[in-house]
Amino acid sequence: QKEVEQDPGPLSVPEGAIVSLNCTYSNSAFQYFMWYRQYSRKGPELLMYTYSSGNKEDGRFTAQVDKSSKYISLFIRDSQPSDSATYLCAPSLTAGNKLTFGGGTRVLVKP
Amino acid sequence: GAVVSQHPSRVICKSGTSVKIECRSLDFQATTMFWYRQFPKQSLMLMATSNEGSKATYEQGVEKDKFLINHASLTLSTLTVTSAHPEDSSFYICSARDPFGGSYNEQFFGPGTRLTVL
Repeated sequence: QKEVEQDPGPLSVPEGAIVSLNCTYSNSAFQYFMWYRQYSRKGPELLMYTYSSGNKEDGRFTAQVDKSSKYISLFIRDSQPSDSATYLCAPSLTAGNKLTFGGGTRVLVKP
Repeated sequence: GAVVSQHPSRVICKSGTSVKIECRSLDFQATTMFWYRQFPKQSLMLMATSNEGSKATYEQGVEKDKFLINHASLTLSTLTVTSAHPEDSSFYICSARDPFGGSYNEQFFGPGTRLTVL
């Protein structure tokens, strides 16, 4: 069993729809939960991070963490074609240290 | 955000040769840098953690004698793939941690280096 699991997709949605992404993990010691966006042949860029359980909102993006069920979610509202990318969840034990990446979910937003 | 560069962006080499990849933090000093490998349609796997002025810490299963890491300055880390073979062909990505990057000490990723070994 992988330490962090994500549905690989692709997840295809029409422009303006809500994109719902999720991750499950096995290590209950994870404290920081990051979401990265990666465009093809580029390095990942941090979208959001959350510490411990709870919700966090930043513009069109909302991250949710449920540590009791080891479940992480990312929602993208009013999706745009420019949101088409691979989204990676990456929890870690401590701030700024080793990231354990999920396999990523490829998202396609169609105009 | 902070900028991390990698050079070269892509390299093609013959089997048995060595290849050096550079990772630079352009506008901040990074005491810690990380090296990841990403195979096609797979996620990033951490290879090693590099601390300035000390030996790198390798993840389980990564051969330290094959993947030589040097972090000689606060803005530069290098990864040398020695005696490269076709199975080493991959996308190599570095990240640098900004020690003053807010409460999270964010890692900033480079654009990656695509290595193809013939």
